[in-house]
Amino acid sequence: EDKVVQSPLSLVVHEGDTVTLNCSYEVTNFRSLLWYKQEKKAPTFLFMLTSSGIEKKSGRLSSILDKKELFSILNITATQTGDSAVYLCAVYSGGGADGLTFGKGTHLIIQP
Amino acid sequence: DVKVTQSSRYLVKRTGEKVFLECVQDMDHENMFWYRQDPGLGLRLIYFSYDVKMKEKGDIPEGYSVSREKKERFSLILESASTNQTSMYLCASSGPPWGNTEAFFGQGTRLTVV
Repeated sequence: EDKVVQSPLSLVVHEGDTVTLNCSYEVTNFRSLLWYKQEKKAPTFLFMLTSSGIEKKSGRLSSILDKKELFSILNITATQTGDSAVYLCAVYSGGGADGLTFGKGTHLIIQP
Repeated sequence: DVKVTQSSRYLVKRTGEKVFLECVQDMDHENMFWYRQDPGLGLRLIYFSYDVKMKEKGDIPEGYSVSREKKERFSLILESASTNQTSMYLCASSGPPWGNTEAFFGQGTRLTVV
């Protein structure tokens, strides 16, 4: 059974701090890993990662994948209160018959 | 803009009722998914479909069925609703090739079974 594990489950930091969110996975026939941000509504897409070692960056957010060690990290620098959300990691596996599996998410709270 | 539309934002149904949750996407996507989201459990895959009339069970299919008669529409059916099916239901779709495009989500349906 495919497994995606995120850590920590929740995190409280102060505005301006840098945070690192973790996602490890055990899946058959890995295709890609995705990060989403969810704020009381539908998840919104952040990144898709398919190759090891190549950092994806968007403003203060960045992410990288390690396919050897089977994990990804999502970094947020200079955090703002608007970054408060649940961050979801998901993995596509298989040839179409294994689905898109999500982790339980990391609930990030940024305090002013 | 990609749009995934779920027919209802909020639903209240009685135990034993048959419930239909509808999802429509306008991007000609092959893949469509139904998840339920519960506190502490995250998003769990109920069913998904990678083609018309094709369906695959996800992690928690018990008590649910699905229908994909047309490419743009994926319906989740609760044959006999029970209180433990009270949850947020999210539909998503993604295009080909498998695993190389993001999944787009609908706004969710919050179902309460009383």
